[in-house]
Amino acid sequence: GAVVSQHPSRVICKSGTSVKIECRSLDFQATTMFWYRQFPKKSLMLMATSNEGSKATYEQGVEKDKFLINHASLTLSTLTVTSAHPEDSSFYICSAINPGGGTDTQYFGPGTRLTVL
Amino acid sequence: EDKVVQSPLSLVVHEGDTVTLNCSYEVTNFRSLLWYKQEKKAPTFLFMLTSSGIEKKSGRLSSILDKKELSSILNITATQTGDSAIYLCAVNDAEYGNKLVFGAGTILRVKS
Repeated sequence: GAVVSQHPSRVICKSGTSVKIECRSLDFQATTMFWYRQFPKKSLMLMATSNEGSKATYEQGVEKDKFLINHASLTLSTLTVTSAHPEDSSFYICSAINPGGGTDTQYFGPGTRLTVL
Repeated sequence: EDKVVQSPLSLVVHEGDTVTLNCSYEVTNFRSLLWYKQEKKAPTFLFMLTSSGIEKKSGRLSSILDKKELSSILNITATQTGDSAIYLCAVNDAEYGNKLVFGAGTILRVKS
């Protein structure tokens, strides 16, 4: 149990285009999901908390108009990187809390590697 | 501001060695500490600790929390090359709901 998937696993796009990344909880309902960004050999940096049915809560320094988050159902959250630039190239990881496993344990998706040319 | 510090930042050992990874934290209202293992993709959950002095064990891995010292250790005995990974420590501060604050990680490399 507690499987989280992400799609796509890898995406290459041109500068100025938008990219959507999906995060799904496959075997549980997740009212809360999180989006992280990770640079090579660095730790995870929390970007935002995605709450089902309400607006996402963004961390300080993260542009909400650039990183659009939608949590339309209990099993799906999406992150859209708008007008992507090369500096947005990174590894994006989502996580979800499985209420059945305790509210503190986050289960991570496999990540999406974004490369902006 | 919450802070999680891991040490060492990187470590190279030989198969069969025992390693101890450290994690110390400063948070407003501690709720739990979690250990994750990250190989090429996303982190996989290892342990969640909430109480001092109670060891959690899974095979060759074990972990314990010391709330007085605001720290935790992760032990790996009889290391294998498959243990090579980044080990991440994260802390949940009840002041901020379910958010986790991650340390920088320890890069472990086990040589055969």
